[in-house]
Amino acid sequence: SAVISQKPSRDICQRGTSLTIQCQVDSQVTMMFWYRQQPGQSLTLIATANQGSEATYESGFVIDKFPISRPNLTFSTLTVSNMSPEDSSIYLCSVIVRYNEQFFGPGTRLTVL
Amino acid sequence: AQSVTQPDIHITVSEGASLELRCNYSYGATPYLFWYVQSPGQGLQLLLKYFSGDTLVQGIKGFEAEFKRSQSSFNLRKPSVHWSDAAEYFCAVATGGGNKLTFGTGTQLKVEL
Repeated sequence: SAVISQKPSRDICQRGTSLTIQCQVDSQVTMMFWYRQQPGQSLTLIATANQGSEATYESGFVIDKFPISRPNLTFSTLTVSNMSPEDSSIYLCSVIVRYNEQFFGPGTRLTVL
Repeated sequence: AQSVTQPDIHITVSEGASLELRCNYSYGATPYLFWYVQSPGQGLQLLLKYFSGDTLVQGIKGFEAEFKRSQSSFNLRKPSVHWSDAAEYFCAVATGGGNKLTFGTGTQLKVEL
C-alpha cells in the first residue's frame, strides 16, 4: 500500500475564491487521480494527474475550473477555482501502487459559503 | 458505458448477524471489481478485489465477496458483523485499462448493539 496525505484536511471558503489541495505520497507512483464526493453522493473521477504533462480530464470537468499540477512522482495539487457553493465536496486523491489497486488519501472537506 | 448499482441505500443489522451487501455492474468486458469502505471522516479503504480466477475472494476484516458473471453481481458478505463495521460501503468497477474507477452510490451500514 501507500501512505497518502492531503492538505488541508478541511476548509471553509468564500464564493469566488480558489483553493489548492495538496496530495503527497510516500513512494513514487505513476498513476495519480483526483476524485470528488459531493454531499451524500458517490465518488466521481475528476482527472488523471500525469507527471510531466497536462492532466486528463473526465467529461464534465475542465482545466480552467480544476487545474492540476504533477511536478514529480510523489506530489500533485488540485485547485478548485472561482468556487461556488456547488463545489462543496470532499476531494480525494488516489494512487495506483500495485496492478489496478487504487489507494485513497483521507480527503479534503471543502465548504463554500 | 460502465455502471455500478448498489440497490440498498441503507442497511441495519444487529451485531453478530450476517451481512450481505448487493452490487450489480454493467460492463462489456471482463470487469475488475472492488469493494471499499469509508468510515465517518475517513478516506476509502480497500476491502477486497476481483481480477480473475477464483470467484470467491477474501478480503480484510473478515469480508468476502463472490463474483457471479451470469448475474453481473459482486456481493459483499460477512458472517458476523461487529459494531465497528458501521460505515459506508462502495462497490466499484475499473475501466480504462483497469485504472479508472466507477463507483456505485454506496450502502450505509448501521449496526445495532
